[in-house]
Amino acid sequence: EDKVVQSPLSLVVHEGDTVTLNCSYEVTNFRSLLWYKQEKKAPTFLFMLTSSGIEKKSGRLSSILDKKELFSILNITATQTGDSAVYLCAGRISGSRLTFGEGTQLTVNP
Amino acid sequence: GAVVSQHPSWVICKSGTSVKIECRSLDFQATTMFWYRQFPKQSLMLMATSNEGSKATYEQGVEKDKFLINHASLTLSTLTVTSAHPEDSSFYICSAPGGGYEQYFGPGTRLTVT
Repeated sequence: EDKVVQSPLSLVVHEGDTVTLNCSYEVTNFRSLLWYKQEKKAPTFLFMLTSSGIEKKSGRLSSILDKKELFSILNITATQTGDSAVYLCAGRISGSRLTFGEGTQLTVNP
Repeated sequence: GAVVSQHPSWVICKSGTSVKIECRSLDFQATTMFWYRQFPKQSLMLMATSNEGSKATYEQGVEKDKFLINHASLTLSTLTVTSAHPEDSSFYICSAPGGGYEQYFGPGTRLTVT
């Protein structure tokens, strides 16, 4: 059974802190791992990572995948209150089907 | 980027009635669409894969007679929750794959069954 596990499930930090969100996966026919940010509505896409191990960056966010350990991290530096959201990772298996982890609820306090 | 819409965005219905939720790809064609359900403080759970012109593929544990899916055209998939009960109250989200790895999510439909 495909499994995606995120940790921590909940995290509270102060503005300016750096956070690391974790995602481990056990997915057959793994193709890629995706990170999403979900605020009040549907998820918005952040990154897609493959077994190439190439780090992805976008502003204060970055992510990398360790194909040997079946693990990915999402880093957010200099956090802002607008970063408060649920961060989801998902394993992409056959076709376009996604298996989501439980999500990490990040709260950034001023 | 590509846009997926859902209608309605929020619906309240009485127990025992049926509710239809529409998912449309507005500027691209989607032979496949996915339906997810999300309970409060939980992640998205894939319910089924909607296939244009053929039967939907349901995930294990999802009752296909209760959650009817119709993918009548390349831009429209519908999910009908039949004989809804309070435990069906949830946030329903559809998505459609774009080119490559991208997947476009609809804004979601919040269903409340009283």
